[in-house]
Amino acid sequence: QVHLVQSGAEVKKPGASVKVSCKASGYSVTTFDISWVRQATGQGLEWMGWMNPQNGNTAKAQNFQDRLTLTRDTSIDTVYMELSGLKSEDTAVYFCAREIRYSGSFFESWGQGTLVTVSS
Amino acid sequence: DIQMTQSPSSLSASVGDRVTITCRASQSVSQYLNWYQHKPGQAPKLLIYTASNLQTGVPSRFSGSGSGTDFTLTITSLQPEDFATYFCHQSFSIPPTFGGGTKVEIK
Repeated sequence: QVHLVQSGAEVKKPGASVKVSCKASGYSVTTFDISWVRQATGQGLEWMGWMNPQNGNTAKAQNFQDRLTLTRDTSIDTVYMELSGLKSEDTAVYFCAREIRYSGSFFESWGQGTLVTVSS
Repeated sequence: DIQMTQSPSSLSASVGDRVTITCRASQSVSQYLNWYQHKPGQAPKLLIYTASNLQTGVPSRFSGSGSGTDFTLTITSLQPEDFATYFCHQSFSIPPTFGGGTKVEIK
């Protein structure tokens, strides 16, 4: 059974960086693309970026071009999302999601979410 | 970016009710519209992909329809486990964008 398991909650100070992991189980992480999506409290979902874990190619939303780094370690079926220059507005739950490209594309499996709190 | 507008933002319903949620795109997304269910503290769950295709394992009381800019998620005979937030997602263009969500609460 496919699962995406994310790392635990983080508390960071403004200006710091956070790195969230997303480990795939039940399949090889190189098989499908992974997107990162976040949801601030009371807000809608916001797509941050996408990675092809097989070749490392990435695409990022314009809002995150300068602050977002997506990486992977295929030996342990894990992808990472690092966000730098944290601000209070980055306080949110961050999700990874496996993207299937079949008759369009959709997020077929999601991680459980990682709460990142940015506070001085 | 394509804006996705869901309505209503919340609704109260009883077990057994028929529930309809709509999602409107600011421009055509063809049929590239997906629906998800999200419960607090859990991973979102894919219900419907490409407007009307039921994801494997999802009960048949869930259905989706629409194309272009207007889409509908219907739950026939609401069950206790269906009380959750539902959101739509367009994958027609990058960046993918999401509706604001519809919270389905117990009446």
